[in-house]
Amino acid sequence: GDSVTQMEGPVTLSEEAFLTINCTYTATGYPSLFWYVQYPGEGIQLLLKATKADDKGSNKGFEATYRKETTSFHLEKGSVQVSDSAVYFCALSDPGTASKLTFGTGTRLQVTL
Amino acid sequence: NAGVMQNPRHLVRRRGQEARLRCSPMKGHSHVYWYRQLPEEGLKFMVYLQKENIIDESGMPKERFSAEFPKEGPSILRIQQVVRGDSAAYFCASSRRDLGVNTEAFFGQGTRLTVV
Repeated sequence: GDSVTQMEGPVTLSEEAFLTINCTYTATGYPSLFWYVQYPGEGIQLLLKATKADDKGSNKGFEATYRKETTSFHLEKGSVQVSDSAVYFCALSDPGTASKLTFGTGTRLQVTL
Repeated sequence: NAGVMQNPRHLVRRRGQEARLRCSPMKGHSHVYWYRQLPEEGLKFMVYLQKENIIDESGMPKERFSAEFPKEGPSILRIQQVVRGDSAAYFCASSRRDLGVNTEAFFGQGTRLTVV
């Protein structure tokens, strides 16, 4: 079945540091890939997505590239801010089971001054 | 346009009681999904509904859990005879169509259920 594996947290960084959160997946078809973010006390929001190989999703300075050869979708940001502190979820939607998203366990990011 | 509305935000139930969680999808959305987030785990799919129909309930526990999305009113996730292991955050999401290349699911803020 489909699965998503992302790096364990928490990740603690100083402001302006470079961020990478690793995400790899297994899927039977050609999935769409997503990063969702959950800020403290809030719901879950879509951060970015990519729907085919080599696509790059980007939003709010975050980027992730759909790498089919390594089945990865790592999240990166060149310079994090305190306001980026949140839990980040990698997820996929498989065309064969388009009714559901499969999520990773989430990675908590804490950015300090 | 209001987002996905879930209520209550927090719910405390004693073991053996019933829990009812409500989800009002975004305007114009007829597809609703329920997910459960256990402590220290990711979100797990439970059920996918369209108006008056359950489309996919492969993630729902076979006993005590049920879901509905009536023609009028919110979607309801019902848990009968709750046990401590049901304590979790329950998230609802909605979409205009089936999730696909150009269709996004929008999530609510979740209901945190605590069973004491």
